[in-house]
This record gives sequence, C-alpha cells and structure tokens, in this order.
Amino acid sequence: AQSVAQPEDQVNVAEGNPLTVKCTYSVSGNPYLFWYVQYPNRGLQFLLKYITGDNLVKGSYGFEAEFNKSQTSFHLKKPSALVSDSALYFCAVRRQAGTALIFGKGTTLSVSS
Amino acid sequence: DTGVSQNPRHKITKRGQNVTFRCDPISEHNRLYWYRQTLGQGPEFLTYFQNEAQLEKSRLLSDRFSAERPKGSFSTLEIQRTEQGDSAMYLCASSPTSVRAEQYFGPGTRLTVT
Repeated sequence: AQSVAQPEDQVNVAEGNPLTVKCTYSVSGNPYLFWYVQYPNRGLQFLLKYITGDNLVKGSYGFEAEFNKSQTSFHLKKPSALVSDSALYFCAVRRQAGTALIFGKGTTLSVSS
Repeated sequence: DTGVSQNPRHKITKRGQNVTFRCDPISEHNRLYWYRQTLGQGPEFLTYFQNEAQLEKSRLLSDRFSAERPKGSFSTLEIQRTEQGDSAMYLCASSPTSVRAEQYFGPGTRLTVT
C-alpha cells in the first residue's frame, strides 16, 4: 500500500535561517512526488514535483526538494526562511500508473521574526 | 482568475439532509478529482473523472455519495442522508491527462453536519 509520512507535526525556524520539512514515502515502483502548501481558508497550492531526472528539484517561492531513493525521502528545503512561509505543508506521492495523490498528515511551518 | 472554483464555500446542514457541491475545473483540464480533508489530516482521495467518465472510486465513497461530471466540464458531488461524520472540507482538483502533471486544487467546500 502507498503511504506518506511527515514525522514532524510542527517545525519552528527563525526568519533567515534554513528550513527543512521532512517526508518519507512508501510506494510500489517508481514514485511521482509532490509538495503542496496550504494557507488558512485557501486551497492547496502546488510547490514542486519530482518525476524523474535530477534528484534536486526547484520550485516556487525559493523552495527546493531532494529526492533520495535509497532513503525513500523527499525533504522540502529553503535556504532562508521568510515569515510569509508560515503555513501547512503537505507531501504527496502517486504511483506512475496511478491517479490519486496520497498525502501525508501535513507539517505546520512557523517562521518567527 | 482561471483556477479551480468550488461552490458553496461553506455549507451547514442538519443530519439526514442531502447536500450537493459543485466544482468548476480549469477549462482545458480533462481530469477532475474529489478529495476529503478532515482536521489534522491530509486530503484523502474520493473519486476521479477523465472527461465525463468516472474511472476510479475510493472505498471511502460510500453508497450515500455520488459524483457526476456531465459533458466533461463541471462536476457535482452529492451526499445523501448526511451524517455528522461527513463533516469535512471537500476539495476538488483538476489536471491535464499527462501522468506527470500536478493537480490544481480549488478552495474547498467546508461541510458542517449538525
């Protein structure tokens, strides 16, 4: 069965510091991996995806993620956090032959000024 | 704004009543998905359409739930005889047909069953 784990319910960082939001996955075959962000009273916004190729993927708003096949991880990173990055972040996986996204429980990122 | 839209944004209903939600996808997207999100959880897949054909349904989609996408454009999700456990955010997403494509989500409809 497919699954996604986001081991941290909350991540706290100071503005200007680097941030990492962790994600590990379990899926049969090669995965398609996604990160979404959710702001209060708004839908999920797509940040970035890994399909194939370079393990380091760059996305919107300065975010990037690194795909690690041996560790089955897809951690979200940003070199310098902004207060406006504070939101709920979801990692999701999809089988190459599948359609549905399987989401983690989400990680709340709080960036303090 | 040409994103995914959903109506209504909020719905409060009494247990046992029927409710219907509407989703208008991005116009050029062939695929349309419904998800349900409860507090503290990530979205859970309910069903998806390729044009007007409903191709996959989750086990979460009980007999009280029905979804349609007539003419392959907008979609409706109906819940009959609502229960308190149906209270959740119902999210709609759309995407192009490509398996590599990301899904674009609407703002959701928040259902409260009293």
